[in-house]
Amino acid sequence: GENVEQHPSTLSVQEGDSAVIKCTYSDSASNYFPWYKQELGKRPQLIIDIRSNVGEKKDQRIAVTLNKTAKHFSLHITETQPEDSAVYFCAASSAGANNLFFGTGTRLTVIP
Amino acid sequence: DAGITQSPRHKVTETGTPVTLRCHQTENHRYMYWYRQDPGHGLRLIHYSYGVKDTDKGEVSDGYSVSRSKTEDFLLTLESATSSQTSVYFCAISEGRESEKLFFGSGTQLSVL
Repeated sequence: GENVEQHPSTLSVQEGDSAVIKCTYSDSASNYFPWYKQELGKRPQLIIDIRSNVGEKKDQRIAVTLNKTAKHFSLHITETQPEDSAVYFCAASSAGANNLFFGTGTRLTVIP
Repeated sequence: DAGITQSPRHKVTETGTPVTLRCHQTENHRYMYWYRQDPGHGLRLIHYSYGVKDTDKGEVSDGYSVSRSKTEDFLLTLESATSSQTSVYFCAISEGRESEKLFFGSGTQLSVL
């Protein structure tokens, strides 16, 4: 099955700086790549997703980039704010697949 | 919100006892999922359903069974709970295509002593 690796496991940034989280995947058939944010004690929530026919997608301060050749994708958060502090998970799945394979998470801390 | 409720929110049980967790949705979504979340493992799929009475195994299905007799309810049963099943369990529905745009419930913290 798919194997998704995520790094770093922890990341601390100063408020206003940018944060980048990277993931790699193993299955070249994977074509859907979402990112989830999970605040402490809460449910994971979808923040952005991208399909393999798109190289980049942006939503306000959040962007995701995808390199299909290298099989890696990244989450970029600009102008970080304390409320961005959370655990972020990447994931990957292929069309019609019954499973979304998650990375192990990155704990982002934004220091005021 | 998609209207998804998990019960109970917390449960403590003993090794060897059966446990059933319930997931209830109010918006008639076809696809429903049970995940477990453990430190260092992210979220892993236990079982999923693609319709009433239609279920299949995920990557960590051993020791678990599911049932879906109505569109709105998806039950997860630990047939004989073990300490390795201590975890946070999340139910999810798909708001898009299969396995896409998952919306998660609030989770159930299960402790098996």
